[in-house]
Formats: sequence, structure tokens, C-alpha cells
Amino acid sequence: GQQLNQSPQSMFIQEGEDVSMNCTSSSIFNTWLWYKQDPGEGPVLLIALYKAGELTSNGRLTAQFGITRKDSFLNISASIPSDVGIYFCAGQLRDTGNQFYFGTGTSLTVIP
Amino acid sequence: GAGVSQSPRYKVAKRGQDVALRCDPISGHVSLFWYQQALGQGPEFLTYFQNEAQLDKSGLPSDRFFAERPEGSVSTLKIQRTQQEDSAVYLCASSLGTAVRGYTFGSGTRLTVV
Repeated sequence: GQQLNQSPQSMFIQEGEDVSMNCTSSSIFNTWLWYKQDPGEGPVLLIALYKAGELTSNGRLTAQFGITRKDSFLNISASIPSDVGIYFCAGQLRDTGNQFYFGTGTSLTVIP
Repeated sequence: GAGVSQSPRYKVAKRGQDVALRCDPISGHVSLFWYQQALGQGPEFLTYFQNEAQLDKSGLPSDRFFAERPEGSVSTLKIQRTQQEDSAVYLCASSLGTAVRGYTFGSGTRLTVV
């Protein structure tokens, strides 16, 4: 299967700080998604990206579709305690229909 | 329903036992997906249905895994002769049409094989 590498693997930040994480692949993707997963729950879609270079915001979250189509970035501004969770990127290859490949996840801890 | 519902939430099976996991997608959603999430990993694709048709089963790890969606709504993932390596969270997701805009996931079934 496809390998999507997320970094960092984990982050410990103070409340109010900004957060940046990224996702890279050796393959070219058609679509990038960012999900957040809380313990014991399924992933929840945060942002979807469809074009190279696209920059999309959802509240304090901003994500970008890398111009090489092999990477994507997620930024969270002014973090709050409820931002705690695991963030996953997911990519769709041009030729694989509806299947998405998920990254390894970035675990975020926000210290009040 | 309002969301994707999965049952049971937790299942403990003895090695060699057969299990059946149920998924109720959002009403009207034609696409349904099953993913497997091992501890500390991201979800991995298992299979995809459009209505009752299983269009992609390339992710099913062995012939012990079988999924069905006979009436195009509720789906069941069946695992025969469970092995310890089958222990994982099994996530079901649905989408209204194609999946390009992303799926809505259920809370998952945590399967532990002892």
C-alpha cells in the first residue's frame, strides 16, 4: 500500500501556541483530507483539498495541498485544550477510485 | 440515522471463533467503506460498496474476511476463524455519492482476539 509519512509523530504545546504538521508521500495524490480522531471515536473530517496549491481554512485550521501533489500541511492557530487528539492526513490516488490512504498520525497534546 | 452506527462497540473473541460486525450507514448514503485500524496506526482500507455492489475488496487481508451489503443499506463484515492479528478497530464509513469529499466514519468496533 501507499506510505504517507506524517511529522511530527507527537507534539506537546502550550495553550495558545500555533501548531504545524505535515504529510508526505512518494506518490502523486488527487485529493488530500485531514481528519481528527479522539480516543474511542472514529475520525472526523476537518478539511478537504482538491487542487495543487489550494489553501483552505476551517476556523482556526488551515491546510494546504502541496504544489508537488506529494504533500500537504495543516496549521492550527491559537491552540485550545479541545484540540487534543490524533490528526491524520489521507490521500486519494488518481487511479484508485474511492479508496483513501491514511498517514501514521500526529498526536497533539495541549497543556493548559 | 444522524450518523454512522456500528455494533457492537467492543467484541472479544476466542481465537478460531467467527465474528460479525454491523454497520448502519447514514440514511441515503450510497457508498459504504470498511477500514481496519491497528493500535497506533492510521486506518487501512478493506472494502467498498456502492449500494449493494461490492466494487472494491482489494484491501481484505485474507479469504477469512467477507463483507456484504445485500439491500444497499446495512453492511456486515464477517471474519472467520479469527486470529490474534485480526485484533484492531474496524471502522465503517459512508458517503452520499462518491467519496471525493471525504467520508463520515462511525465510532468503530474494537475487536480483541484472545
